[in-house]
Amino acid sequence: KAGVTQTPRYLIKTRGQQVTLSCSPISGHRSVSWYQQTPGQGLQFLFEYFSETQRNKGNFPGRFSGRQFSNSRSEMNVSTLELGDSALYLCASAVWASENGELFFGEGSRLTVL
Amino acid sequence: DQQVKQNSPSLSVQEGRISILNCDYTNSMFDYFLWYKKYPAEGPTFLISISSIKDKNEDGRFTVFLNKSAKHLSLHIVPSQPGDSAVYFCAASAWPSYDKVIFGPGTSLSVIP
Repeated sequence: KAGVTQTPRYLIKTRGQQVTLSCSPISGHRSVSWYQQTPGQGLQFLFEYFSETQRNKGNFPGRFSGRQFSNSRSEMNVSTLELGDSALYLCASAVWASENGELFFGEGSRLTVL
Repeated sequence: DQQVKQNSPSLSVQEGRISILNCDYTNSMFDYFLWYKKYPAEGPTFLISISSIKDKNEDGRFTVFLNKSAKHLSLHIVPSQPGDSAVYFCAASAWPSYDKVIFGPGTSLSVIP
């Protein structure tokens, strides 16, 4: 079956702009998590959605937001971009609460802020 | 405040030898631990996990050891193969929020033929 699909794969923005990233989970998966990966920091948890509801949130400013649609697809938005937002944004899906902790990751969207 | 730490950014091992990747955590509420592997230009993939009720879990060449009193876990790869060269992330979660998985910064493993 198809894996987790993230679009776009690469994008370049300038400071102050906003960006929307999309994630299509594996069919049947209802939980979607978002992570930010930067060198030296590993994967930083942004938020997790299940059945269109945000269940968990990490320690990111309010400029980072997300949502999930009824078909489990998810989007995350970053407003008023800063240089430090340059990172690889990874989306992961799970059946529900990842019973064995297994998340299925997409290949990521690499954002560069100039 | 990093709750999951991997203090070795990189590790080099000869093919056929044992690779030991270490991980420490600070949050005593964590009760489920996982290892993920990541190749360049790919998303991380799940490798192995362990619940806090166990101190060892084995899957083929991969074994994870958990020392709860020391808040420490390690991943052993025996024997190491060149295809194991990747970044390894240690991760943890806590009941009831098993859906909130906290990752460490990763250790880059190079297995030298």
